[in-house]
Amino acid sequence: RKEVEQDPGPFNVPEGATVAFNCTYSNSASQSFFWYRQDCRKEPKLLMSVYSSGNEDGRFTAQLNRASQYISLLIRDSKLSDSATYLCVVNIAGSSASKIIFGSGTRLSIRP
Amino acid sequence: EPEVTQTPSHQVTQMGQEVILRCVPISNHLYFYWYRQILGQKVEFLVSFYNNEISEKSEIFDDQFSVERPDGSNFTLKIRSTKLEDSAMYFCASSPSPPPPLHFGNGTRLTVT
Repeated sequence: RKEVEQDPGPFNVPEGATVAFNCTYSNSASQSFFWYRQDCRKEPKLLMSVYSSGNEDGRFTAQLNRASQYISLLIRDSKLSDSATYLCVVNIAGSSASKIIFGSGTRLSIRP
Repeated sequence: EPEVTQTPSHQVTQMGQEVILRCVPISNHLYFYWYRQILGQKVEFLVSFYNNEISEKSEIFDDQFSVERPDGSNFTLKIRSTKLEDSAMYFCASSPSPPPPLHFGNGTRLTVT
């Protein structure tokens, strides 16, 4: 089983739609979780951290389900500028928090 | 806002040659990382570095690779005897104590011919 697994997509949704991505991780002792976005041929950039109680940042909501070992990202009122690849990132336990693993990413395309 | 900087932005080398990719992490960060991304594929962890030593490395990071922090500011990735399959974008990242989140540089695109 992959350490971090995501639906690759692509998701193609109209502007204004709500879209949700899931990500599963295999190591139950994983400590911290993040969503990054990556634009084509650019570096990954932090979108938001994911906290146990769930957290929201504007149109973006992240949830963590430790029992089922998945995290989710919800994007409301999607904008054209949200088109990107969304990367699920997990800090694998068992070290000094220094092995940070990326999922393969979910591609999102917002159409006008 | 402080940035991680990487040089060069694009490196072309012949198979079998050695390359050194350079990174200047954010100045007050203590954890440093190298990742690579083959075109169209996922971002893959290579190595993490803390307190002047490797703290974690992946199975990709074999004897062909080495990292060094030669002075107080640079963090380098050396690839010896490059192979065609080493062609990829290499990202350096740093994080404060304790990590994460990671702050990435713009990457170095390595092309091995």
